[in-house]
Amino acid sequence: QKEVEQDPGPLSVPEGAIVSLNCTYSNSAFQYFMWYRQYSRKGPELLMYTYSSGNKEDGRFTAQVDKSSKYISLFIRDSQPSDSATYLCAMTYSSASKIIFGSGTRLSIRP
Amino acid sequence: DAGVTQSPTHLIKTRGQQVTLRCSPKSGHDTVSWYQQALGQGPQFIFQYYEEEERQRGNFPDRFSGHQFPNYSSELNVNALLLGDSALYLCASSLQGPDTQYFGPGTRLTVL
Repeated sequence: QKEVEQDPGPLSVPEGAIVSLNCTYSNSAFQYFMWYRQYSRKGPELLMYTYSSGNKEDGRFTAQVDKSSKYISLFIRDSQPSDSATYLCAMTYSSASKIIFGSGTRLSIRP
Repeated sequence: DAGVTQSPTHLIKTRGQQVTLRCSPKSGHDTVSWYQQALGQGPQFIFQYYEEEERQRGNFPDRFSGHQFPNYSSELNVNALLLGDSALYLCASSLQGPDTQYFGPGTRLTVL
């Protein structure tokens, strides 16, 4: 079993829709939870960064962490074609530790 | 403020050759981590350097080695290249403290 599980998709939704992306994990020692966006043939770009459980909002993006269920989510409101990319969930034990990534979900927003 | 930079952008090697990839961390960052990302997969941790020493290592063979210089820049060396080493190699920099890792654009290595 992988430490971090993420549905690879692809996921295709119409412009303006709310997108929900999810990951589950098995190691309760994880403390930091991140979401990265990666465009084709580019490096990952940090979108959201959360410590421990709770919600965090930044513009159209909301990250949720439920440590009791070992489940994290990313919501994108009013989705735009420019949001089309691969979204990687990631987590780590401490801020300078190695990052464990999910396999990524390919998202496509249809105009 | 320059972010993480990597060179070269892309290179092609043949099996059995050796390759060196380079990374300059974000200004003020002292820790460099290297990741390998195969096509369609998430990045996999190779190793991390801090104070010119390897501090953590992932599940990669000894063919993968690295170095960190006094100015915090880093190199990743891969010997005896295999076809399976073809991937995007990512460098990430951070501080040893309450911060997170920021990634460079990567070097795409193709092994023929």
